[in-house]
Amino acid sequence: QSVLTQPPSVSGAPGQRVTISCTGSRSNIGADYEVHWYQHFPGTAPKLLINHNNNRPSGVPDRFSGSKSGTSASLAITGLQTDDEADYYCQSFDNRLSAVVFGGGTKLTVL
Amino acid sequence: QVQLVESGGGVVQPGGSPRLSCAVSGFTLSRYGMQWVRQAPGKGLEWVAFIEYDGQKVYYADSVKGRFTISRDNSRNTLYLQMKSLREEDTAVYFCARSRREFESGTYLDYWGQGVLITVSS
Repeated sequence: QSVLTQPPSVSGAPGQRVTISCTGSRSNIGADYEVHWYQHFPGTAPKLLINHNNNRPSGVPDRFSGSKSGTSASLAITGLQTDDEADYYCQSFDNRLSAVVFGGGTKLTVL
Repeated sequence: QVQLVESGGGVVQPGGSPRLSCAVSGFTLSRYGMQWVRQAPGKGLEWVAFIEYDGQKVYYADSVKGRFTISRDNSRNTLYLQMKSLREEDTAVYFCARSRREFESGTYLDYWGQGVLITVSS
């Protein structure tokens, strides 16, 4: 299983708000390593969505936001659109493993 | 614009030793660390390897340590992943990606390629 834990799936109706959690431990998120989020449409290149816990790279809509507290982080998406249907991954660094670590991914379905 | 294009994928027999390449453009490769990440069929993303901007330091996931070698040729704007002793569980789409921050400071990936499929099968 993945070092960072995400729910396998979340869903919401168009226009609604959803959150995706990412739970780590004291050797990664809890060790003050930043959390980054990626959006991935299968068959394409993953895209950096949020970096440094809560920063949106240029071009990412402000409907996407990130937060971090303790050993966990969250990605929030407001004003859901059908185009948001994708897989979302959190990522951090683990100093016990000395490795880049990903969450298992969350499939977002827009109903 | 930034582009990363992987090549070298295909069907490989168990124990095989293919080499993946990642040709980059739109940025100066020698200024950035680079990484390989893979995704097995139906699974999530798994980090594979990292190489510093000048190739002096490399890091590997335990699952590939001793079997895979990451390298780069900055003069050719190309990143490589030499794979050996392949197993069926190495079957995956392999992505190359540009890194930001030093590895142990909490690196992340700001641009990715579309990936190349390696299938390990007899």
